[in-house]
Amino acid sequence: DGGITQSPKYLFRKEGQNVTLSCEQNLNHDAMYWYRQDPGQGLRLIYYSQIVNDFQKGDIAEGYSVSREKKESFPLTVTSAQKNPTAFYLCASSTIPSGLTDTQYFGPGTRLTVL
Amino acid sequence: AQTVTQSQPEMSVQEAETVTLSCTYDTSESNYYLFWYKQPPSRQMILVIRQEAYKQQNATENRFSVNFQKAAKSFSLKISDSQLGDTAMYFCAFMKLAFGNEKLTFGTGTRLTIIP
Repeated sequence: DGGITQSPKYLFRKEGQNVTLSCEQNLNHDAMYWYRQDPGQGLRLIYYSQIVNDFQKGDIAEGYSVSREKKESFPLTVTSAQKNPTAFYLCASSTIPSGLTDTQYFGPGTRLTVL
Repeated sequence: AQTVTQSQPEMSVQEAETVTLSCTYDTSESNYYLFWYKQPPSRQMILVIRQEAYKQQNATENRFSVNFQKAAKSFSLKISDSQLGDTAMYFCAFMKLAFGNEKLTFGTGTRLTIIP
């Protein structure tokens, strides 16, 4: 089955700890994205990547870091510098036909709770 | 910067009826995509329908159709013969058509409940 997987589904973190959220896709998509969703709000972009070993900050990148060592994988680390990390995190991916932006498809998400 | 507004926080409709969800947006771009995504209780974001701004014909996907009014910057979603499985949050989203990565800009969502 082709798709986007995220793990874990639920994650609990103590204050001061870094945690890493996994995102893997087997759709052969070039671009990958991380979004954050808070209650009563739409999604906001954290980081995105178009190719391996390259990524750019989105609107709310402070306190987060990413890597893109493989085309299929785009892990997100929530660092202790993120002041309010409790949220729902969604990973997405898309093709880039002829270099142009295209529809983004989403994984099932990870719910992060800071204790 | 683009903005997307969904003015109906909640809606409910009887099963088998038709419902229309509203969305307006603001942009200075001329080439872009508009999307409706559905987020059921599982919270996975599922693509419902996509509209390219350069196309005059409104997009349709089975029971889902849009009314795209480019001049008015309006993009409503009509769900016909509504089913219990349509119960979800619905998000309208905008994306500029450009080279390279472009983010989705989301509205705040409409919570739709289908009543048996």
